Amino acid sequence: NAGVMQNPRHLVRRRGQEARLRCSPMKGHSHVYWYRQLPEEGLKFMVYLQKENIIDESGMPKERFSAEFPKEGPSILRIQQVVRGDSAAYFCASSPRAPGEQYFGPGTRLTVT
Amino acid sequence: EDKVVQSPLSLVVHEGDTVTLNCSYEVTNFRSLLWYKQEKKAPTFLFMLTSSGIEKKSGRLSSILDKKELFSILNITATQTGDSAVYLCACLSGNTPLVFGKGTRLSVIA
Repeated sequence: NAGVMQNPRHLVRRRGQEARLRCSPMKGHSHVYWYRQLPEEGLKFMVYLQKENIIDESGMPKERFSAEFPKEGPSILRIQQVVRGDSAAYFCASSPRAPGEQYFGPGTRLTVT
Repeated sequence: EDKVVQSPLSLVVHEGDTVTLNCSYEVTNFRSLLWYKQEKKAPTFLFMLTSSGIEKKSGRLSSILDKKELFSILNITATQTGDSAVYLCACLSGNTPLVFGKGTRLSVIA
């Protein structure tokens, strides 16, 4: 049973470009969460999705950030017009139920130059 | 605002030592507390604690929750260099996102 998959593992973008981060949950998991981790900081919740629905986006910046989890395919976290402050590790987690333990993917390290 | 505080922030021990990591929390609608181990990549799930006073154990690791005093401890006995990592504590509240502490960085030296 494959774990949570994220790609790409590393992403470099210039300021103003768009970043697309993908997450495939574990088999049988329909709950997906995105977290951001800044250097020397803990993981901060961004958004929680179930298939085709955003359940909680209270941790996501109102502008430039969006997320989706379509009926088919991975969940996507999209950051438009990236700025240097967006540089961080973005982790996706999935869960078979809510509330429940969450299993994390390896993360995508975004660097904005 | 929900808060999870871990201590110490970092710790250096010798192989064979026993360590205790602390996690205190102030969370509305608390449901569970979770421990994760993070090496260079994904946080790896260790334990989920929901009931007070019941110890969970996995090999040399064990953890217990005190819902009255709002804290949990993670114990590691006979530490090995492979235990070096950041240990994260997180709380599951009435809403589903996890609230994380900043972690304890454990370094085990031979």
